[in-house]
Amino acid sequence: QVQLVESGGGVVQPGRSLRLSCAASGFTFSSYALHWVRQAPGKGLEWVAFISYDGSNKYFADSVKGRFTISRDNSKSTLYLQMDSLRVEDTAVYYCARDFPNYYMDVWGKGTTVTVSS
Amino acid sequence: EIVLTQSPATLSLSPGERATLSCRASQSVSSYLAWYQQKPGLPPRLLIYDASNRATAIPARFSGSGSGTDFTLTISSLEPEDFAVYYCQQRSSWPLTFGGGTKVEIK
Repeated sequence: QVQLVESGGGVVQPGRSLRLSCAASGFTFSSYALHWVRQAPGKGLEWVAFISYDGSNKYFADSVKGRFTISRDNSKSTLYLQMDSLRVEDTAVYYCARDFPNYYMDVWGKGTTVTVSS
Repeated sequence: EIVLTQSPATLSLSPGERATLSCRASQSVSSYLAWYQQKPGLPPRLLIYDASNRATAIPARFSGSGSGTDFTLTISSLEPEDFAVYYCQQRSSWPLTFGGGTKVEIK
C-alpha cells in the first residue's frame, strides 16, 4: 500500500542541526512532488517546504527559509529535510506528504517529533 | 502571504445534524482551496480539493463550495467519526497556507 514513514526526530538544543528522512513505498516515488508540513503541540498545521518530482523546484515557508533544506533521493525513494540553526519554535511533529496535483497533499506519514530545548 | 481565517473556532453539534464550516481568504484564491480532516494523534486526511471536488473514498455527505475569498465545507449529517478538526489550505500562491482550524465537537 501507499506509505510514507518519517524518521530522524528527537530532542536537540537550540542552534543545532537535525536531518529528517521520509521513506516512501507503494507508489512511483520519482513521479511525485513532496511536502513537509509541521504541527506545533496543540496548534494547527504549518506548511514548511516543497520539492518537485525531480528536485529542480523547491519552496520554503518564510519561517524556515535559509535554515532548512529539502532534498530527495529518487533511487532510494527517500525525502529529506535538513534543519539547521534550530529554534525553540521549530518544536513540532513533522509530516511528509505526497503532492496531489497540484500543491495539495493526499498521502501523509504518521509524523516524527522534533523537540528543540536547552 | 495569503491568510486563511476559519470560523467558528469550535462547532458543537449532535450526530445527525448539519455542519457548516467557513474559510475566508485575505485575497482571492480562485478555486484553489482544499479541506482536510484531522483526528487526535493522526495525520490530516484530504477531503476536498479545488473547492468542491471530493478526494478518493470521501463520503458524499462531505461537500465543498465557494470561490474567490469565501468557502464552505458542509457535512450534511454528522456521523460519530466526523467529530474532528478541519483545516482549509490554499494553493493559489506561495507560501502555501492553512487556516487555523475548526473543531467539530459532540454537543
